[in-house]
Amino acid sequence: DAKTTQPNSMESNEEEPVHLPCNHSTISGTDYIHWYRQLPSQGPEYVIHGLTSNVNNRMASLAIAEDRKSSTLILHRATLRDAAVYYCILPLWAGTALIFGKGTTLSVSS
Amino acid sequence: EPEVTQTPSHQVTQMGQEVILRCVPISNHLYFYWYRQILGQKVEFLVSFYNNEISEKSEIFDDQFSVERPDGSNFTLKIRSTKLEDSAMYFCASSLQGSTGELFFGEGSRLTVL
Repeated sequence: DAKTTQPNSMESNEEEPVHLPCNHSTISGTDYIHWYRQLPSQGPEYVIHGLTSNVNNRMASLAIAEDRKSSTLILHRATLRDAAVYYCILPLWAGTALIFGKGTTLSVSS
Repeated sequence: EPEVTQTPSHQVTQMGQEVILRCVPISNHLYFYWYRQILGQKVEFLVSFYNNEISEKSEIFDDQFSVERPDGSNFTLKIRSTKLEDSAMYFCASSLQGSTGELFFGEGSRLTVL
């Protein structure tokens, strides 16, 4: 997997937007950018993925820089349930496994 | 919504005993994975399985580990002779498109080796 860099931790208040950054300067033209999260005491959970264009789904939005060297996961209104470790991963190809780094631990306060 | 199910949710075993962890992936999925997470540490890849064979494995997945898809629905992880350091949460995952698509993870099986 291409190398990604994420902050170790971030904090947010409930109901506020959260922008989780990820740098992936060695990304290749065909690498998809994936985000997963792991809630406490649960297995990892898919959040969103994209290639070039910004992507939206019911959980989050993914903003991808024009040069694709960075991306931002956007939670539009954080809830206490969004407190989790968020992982930005660039799988090499379909047959390889996802390799999880340390991710960003998001804390949400009420 | 379809989900990956894992059994048992928690197993306690003595060092040296064999353990089998079971997973039922989502029915039309083609790629299967086992990961583990030692308490307080990151999620570690163990093995991936596609087309009835191992497609990739990590250095953690040594001769003490094996996987099997015995009946086309279950996907099992066997640890032949457990060690204390095998104590961890083991997650099964499945995917239709492999890692470039969405992986669905189970809730995990907690293994405690005494």
